[in-house]
Amino acid sequence: DGGITQSPKYLFRKEGQNVTLSCEQNLNHDAMYWYRQDPGQGLRLIYYSQIVNDFQKGDIAEGYSVSREKKESFPLTVTSAQKNPTAFYLCASSSPPGGGALRPLHFGNGTRLTVT
Amino acid sequence: AQTVTQSQPEMSVQEAETVTLSCTYDTSESDYYLFWYKQPPSRQMILVIRQEAYKQQNATENRFSVNFQKAAKSFSLKISDSQLGDAAMYFCASREVISNFGNEKLTFGTGTRLTIIP
Repeated sequence: DGGITQSPKYLFRKEGQNVTLSCEQNLNHDAMYWYRQDPGQGLRLIYYSQIVNDFQKGDIAEGYSVSREKKESFPLTVTSAQKNPTAFYLCASSSPPGGGALRPLHFGNGTRLTVT
Repeated sequence: AQTVTQSQPEMSVQEAETVTLSCTYDTSESDYYLFWYKQPPSRQMILVIRQEAYKQQNATENRFSVNFQKAAKSFSLKISDSQLGDAAMYFCASREVISNFGNEKLTFGTGTRLTIIP
């Protein structure tokens, strides 16, 4: 079955360490997104990528970095510069514009990152 | 930039009754799309219903329907015959184009936690 896989489900890191969250999709979607979810704040966009080798900052990109070397993969690195990294991170993908105006985002199951 | 506001942090409803979750949005776009997502305790985001802004007819998906009031920029979700499995966080979202290359993003509200009372 097609879908989005995020791993690991839970991740623990010490403060000052960089950590990379994995996101893989086999939906053949061009667009991929990273959202951060905090209690009471909904989902906020960190980075997005419309095509391979291209990505753009979202609303809260500071302290994060991404790469898009393959269509299927969009890893997110939480760097030591991110002041409040503990959160729930969701990866999503969608088909490109022209693929149907009401195409929804497909989400992974998320990664809970705890930094102490 | 678009904003989405959900003014009800928590709601509860008796099983089998009907509940309405509120959502308002603000956008400068003439063409946009609205969505309701459900997030159960598993934290998986599940699409509930979607609406094209240019369509006057309200979308319906089984027990879920929306009341789309374009002039008031309101997009409420009605759940009929509530079931225990409907208990979840519900997020309202709007889609906007954010670049000349057709890049898009969803802007989410802060969510409403729905509790179903047996």
